Amino acid sequence: QAVLTQPSSLSASPGASASLTCTLRSGINVGTYRIYWYQQKPGSPPRYLLRYKSDSDKQQGSGVPSRFSGSKDASANAGILFISGLQSEDEADYHCMIWHSSAWVFGGGTKLTVL
Amino acid sequence: QVQLVQSGAEVKKPGASVKVSCKAVGYTFTSYYMHWVRQAPGQGLEWMGIINPSGGSTSYAQKFQGRVTMTRDTSTSTVYMELSSLRSEDTAVYYCARPNDEYSSSFLGDYWGQGTLVTVSS
Repeated sequence: QAVLTQPSSLSASPGASASLTCTLRSGINVGTYRIYWYQQKPGSPPRYLLRYKSDSDKQQGSGVPSRFSGSKDASANAGILFISGLQSEDEADYHCMIWHSSAWVFGGGTKLTVL
Repeated sequence: QVQLVQSGAEVKKPGASVKVSCKAVGYTFTSYYMHWVRQAPGQGLEWMGIINPSGGSTSYAQKFQGRVTMTRDTSTSTVYMELSSLRSEDTAVYYCARPNDEYSSSFLGDYWGQGTLVTVSS
C-alpha cells in the first residue's frame, strides 16, 4: 500500500470550492506530519503552494492566493488542500508530500478539472 | 534572480548511464542544498535524493541506492545527477529543486529547474 494516496481526478465548476485529499497509509498518523502541496501545469515543473501541520504550524507559499488553504481530517487520516472560488487557471495536477522514513514521499497526484 | 538551468534532453540505450546537470544562477551556490526529483510520463513525482553543494555530502532514496550518484562542481555552480544501469522504467523528466531555507535539507521549495527528459529505448 502506498504511503500517500490521492484520488486520480476531481472535477468542479468555476466559482465553486474543491477539497483535494491526501490519505496516509494505515499506521502513519497524519497528526504528526507536515503535509506539503504542489501545483503542476502541463509542461511545467511543480509549484510549491503551502504546507500544513496544524493551525499554528502552517506556511503559505510565496505569492500563493489565500483561497488555497490546508487542513487535516484526523478521522480519515488525511491531509486536505482546499481551494475556494475556483478559477480556470486552477486546472492542474496537485501533489502532496511528506517527510517519512528519511525520504520525501509524494502521493500519486490529483488532476483537477475546472469546467 | 534565482534560476536553475538544466541540461538538454537525452536518449539512452538500456544498460547505459546518463548524467544530468543543473546550473545554479543568482544565489550563493554553497548555501543551499539541492534535491533531485523525477516524473515518469503521466505519473507522479518521485524523490531521488539530495546533495549539499558545500561539502558534497549526499543522501539517496533507498530505491536508487547503488544506481544514482550526485556530485557538484563549485567552480561552475553546477550539480550533477548520474543514473546508471538504465532501463525503460527510468524514462522520465528529471528535475533539480532547491529548498527555500539556507543550509537546510528541508522541503523542495520555490525554485525548480525546467526539467530534463531522459528517454531509455533500444
